[in-house]
Amino acid sequence: GQSLEQPSEVTAVEGAIVQINCTYQTSGFYGLSWYQQHDGGAPTFLSYNALDGLEETGRFSSFLSRSDSYGYLLLQELQMKDSASYFCARPIAGNNRKLIWGLGTSLAVNP
Amino acid sequence: DTEVTQTPKHLVMGMTNKKSLKCEQHMGHRAMYWYKQKAKKPPELMFVYSYEKLSINESVPSRFSPECPNSSLLNLHLHALQPEDSALYLCASSQDLGAADTQYFGPGTRLTVL
Repeated sequence: GQSLEQPSEVTAVEGAIVQINCTYQTSGFYGLSWYQQHDGGAPTFLSYNALDGLEETGRFSSFLSRSDSYGYLLLQELQMKDSASYFCARPIAGNNRKLIWGLGTSLAVNP
Repeated sequence: DTEVTQTPKHLVMGMTNKKSLKCEQHMGHRAMYWYKQKAKKPPELMFVYSYEKLSINESVPSRFSPECPNSSLLNLHLHALQPEDSALYLCASSQDLGAADTQYFGPGTRLTVL
């Protein structure tokens, strides 16, 4: 299979650091994307990891470990506006236009 | 311009109505997508156009009919919908580069079928 698993909910406080994990099945794996979606809004692309290691973009970083079949999104210096759903996604083997999506992690940032 | 636009933002229609959703992008992207999203769920792929040709149809009921008039425009024609079709309909586009392709989403059309 090619499914993805991520926690359904995470809660944190402003200024903290939170890590959202995503585990995947290795069959036909190319890389892992992360999308952010605020309530009522559209998914917004955050990052894509094809190789092992950490990719940093401002307060957000994404990590991939192919040997452990997992990745994570790291959000630092959390702000209230980071409250959103975060989805990991991967292209389907043999048809890169199709993405398999995780069920999403709802992040609540509290004061 | 890194924007995908969609109209209308909201749409309420009866089960006997015919309506269309519109999507436009001017990023020169060659792939365009329609997704359906229910609350608290990930987007579900419906259709993909690549170079203006239908590339993927995820066994979507015929009451949904996509159209790609040119490389910048994508329509979704709706006819005889059911209340369970009420959802957020998202359009996306990408350069169609393969596994590392990034999909850019429009703001969506919130559809309610009465």
